[in-house]
Amino acid sequence: DAGVIQSPRHEVTEMGQEVTLRCKPISGHDYLFWYRQTMMRGLELLIYFNNNVPIDDSGMPEDRFSAKMPNASFSTLKIQPSEPRDSAVYFCASSLGGRKYEQYFGPGTRLTVT
Amino acid sequence: DQQVKQNSPSLSVQEGRISILNCDYTNSMFDYFLWYKKYPAEGPTFLISISSIKDKNEDGRFTVFLNKSAKHLSLHIVPSQPGDSAVYFCAAHKTGANNLFFGTGTRLTVIP
Repeated sequence: DAGVIQSPRHEVTEMGQEVTLRCKPISGHDYLFWYRQTMMRGLELLIYFNNNVPIDDSGMPEDRFSAKMPNASFSTLKIQPSEPRDSAVYFCASSLGGRKYEQYFGPGTRLTVT
Repeated sequence: DQQVKQNSPSLSVQEGRISILNCDYTNSMFDYFLWYKKYPAEGPTFLISISSIKDKNEDGRFTVFLNKSAKHLSLHIVPSQPGDSAVYFCAAHKTGANNLFFGTGTRLTVIP
């Protein structure tokens, strides 16, 4: 299995631009999570899906952030407009319902907003 | 509000010695705890876990201890190896929830 796949691995953009991060979970996993890693707050959960349905988006910082999961094998996290304080590493993770504690993470997307 | 806390941002240990990484939590509803290991430019990977009904779980060189009364858990690595150098995240699961709460991580450096 290829594991969780994220793209791009690095993204540099200017303030005000739209940014789209992509994730392909492990085949067969029914939970998908988006996290943001910062030095101050560690790994913060932004949103998670179960069977493609958003369950909890209370961690999404503000309306500039949105996430979708149109099918079981693809999810996007969009920031529009982006701001310098959005600079962080964004991780996608997936898990299987019966063992949902054990999440499998992708390699992350390092976002830099200048 | 950080419900899972790792108060030591870094730790250095000599190869062959014991590494002890600590984690404190505030929510008594946490029922499952996990440790994840992260190498640079990679995502965190699951290392070891423990249910709240246990006080110890061992897997090879890795042992996790849970002290519920103190709301404290620790990860022991013995003997430590240079390949163990990574950032270690403590995480907790709350009863009825589907997500995990993570700490800020501790960077372990094992010196050869």
